[in-house]
Amino acid sequence: DAKTTQPPSMDCAEGRAANLPCNHSTISGNEYVYWYRQIHSQGPQYIIHGLKNNETNEMASLIITEDRKSSTLILPHATLRDTAVYYCIVRVAIYNQGGKLIFGQGTELSVKP
Amino acid sequence: GAGVSQSPSNKVTEKGKDVELRCDPISGHTALYWYRQSLGQGLEFLIYFQGNSAPDKSGLPSDRFSAERTGGSVSTLTIQRTQQEDSAVYLCASSLATSGVYEQYFGPGTRLTVT
Repeated sequence: DAKTTQPPSMDCAEGRAANLPCNHSTISGNEYVYWYRQIHSQGPQYIIHGLKNNETNEMASLIITEDRKSSTLILPHATLRDTAVYYCIVRVAIYNQGGKLIFGQGTELSVKP
Repeated sequence: GAGVSQSPSNKVTEKGKDVELRCDPISGHTALYWYRQSLGQGLEFLIYFQGNSAPDKSGLPSDRFSAERTGGSVSTLTIQRTQQEDSAVYLCASSLATSGVYEQYFGPGTRLTVT
């Protein structure tokens, strides 16, 4: 599995967009980009995933560069409840098969009033 | 609906004792995973069950660790002769692997403290 690089920490003002970068320069053509977050004292929570197109759901948007070597998770209007550690993970997704997630150190996002 | 549940939520045990941690996955999920999170190591994979296939045990740190999944549902992680370095939060997750989305749902974890 390809490895990812994320900044260890970021701050964001409440109500502003939080843009969390991730570098995955060795990603393979069949590997997806997944984002999870972990709020303090809780289990990780799935946010979004993508292969090469930009994706949006009710939680966030995922922007993947054309060469797929990096991506950005966007929380459009960050709230205090978005304070968490955000993990960017790359993984092959094969239908009818699961597989382990390899977590890096993630980015600790602090949303401030 | 009900999410992944784990029990106990907290467990304190003496060094050398055996412990069992339980995970109830989301009904219908064919894949089940165990991870642990400790201060020094972050989130690390332990073991993964997928349907009737042989489990992926590649993350188990020693032969003191074992896990089973009965009837394709409930799973138990057993740690024998616990050591202080086993102190961590043990997380269970499940997924509907056939969906192709690969979204894993995590339980709240069991905090294990070995004294």
